Amino acid sequence: GAVVSQHPSWVICKSGTSVKIECRSLDFQATTMFWYRQFPKQSLMLMATSNEGSKATYEQGVEKDKFLINHASLTLSTLTVTSAHPEDSSFYICSAGGWVFTDTQYFGPGTRLTVL
Amino acid sequence: TQLLKQSPQFLSIQEGENLTVYCNSSSVFSSLQWYRQEPGEGPVLLVTVVTGGEVKKLKRLTFQFGDARKDSSLHITAAQPGDTGLYLCAETDSWGKLQFGAGTQVVVTP
Repeated sequence: GAVVSQHPSWVICKSGTSVKIECRSLDFQATTMFWYRQFPKQSLMLMATSNEGSKATYEQGVEKDKFLINHASLTLSTLTVTSAHPEDSSFYICSAGGWVFTDTQYFGPGTRLTVL
Repeated sequence: TQLLKQSPQFLSIQEGENLTVYCNSSSVFSSLQWYRQEPGEGPVLLVTVVTGGEVKKLKRLTFQFGDARKDSSLHITAAQPGDTGLYLCAETDSWGKLQFGAGTQVVVTP
């Protein structure tokens, strides 16, 4: 149980285009999903917290107009990187939890974004 | 937000050797989690430690939580190439968000 999927697993796009990444909880309802970014040889950095039916909460320094997050259902959250640039190239990982104040988050397999 | 410090940053050992990685903080952990992440994949939870002085074993992996709950260690006995990966400690803050350490990259060569 507690499987989280991401789609796509990798994507290459041209500079200036937008890319949407999906995060799905396959066998449980996730009231909260988290989006992380990971650069090579670095740890995971939390970008935003997404709660179903409400606006996402962004970490300091993360541009909410550039990284659009939608959590329209209890099993799906999406991250859209708008007007992507090469510096947005990174590994994006989502995780899902049953409710906010839980220690257990289930991680997706990640999406590798390369912006040319 | 407390900072989690992991050491060493990088560890390269031969198959069959033992290794230990550490996670420390200046503040008390409410609980601590250890993850392993392989290249191109998401992190996988190995264990959660909650009680000061707690020791948990997962096959060849032994996890210890300091008595004061400010430090933790992960010890691998007779490491195998399959143990290669990025080992991350993390704590859940009061907002339910995970704070990760910088990680220890472990490479086990045959």
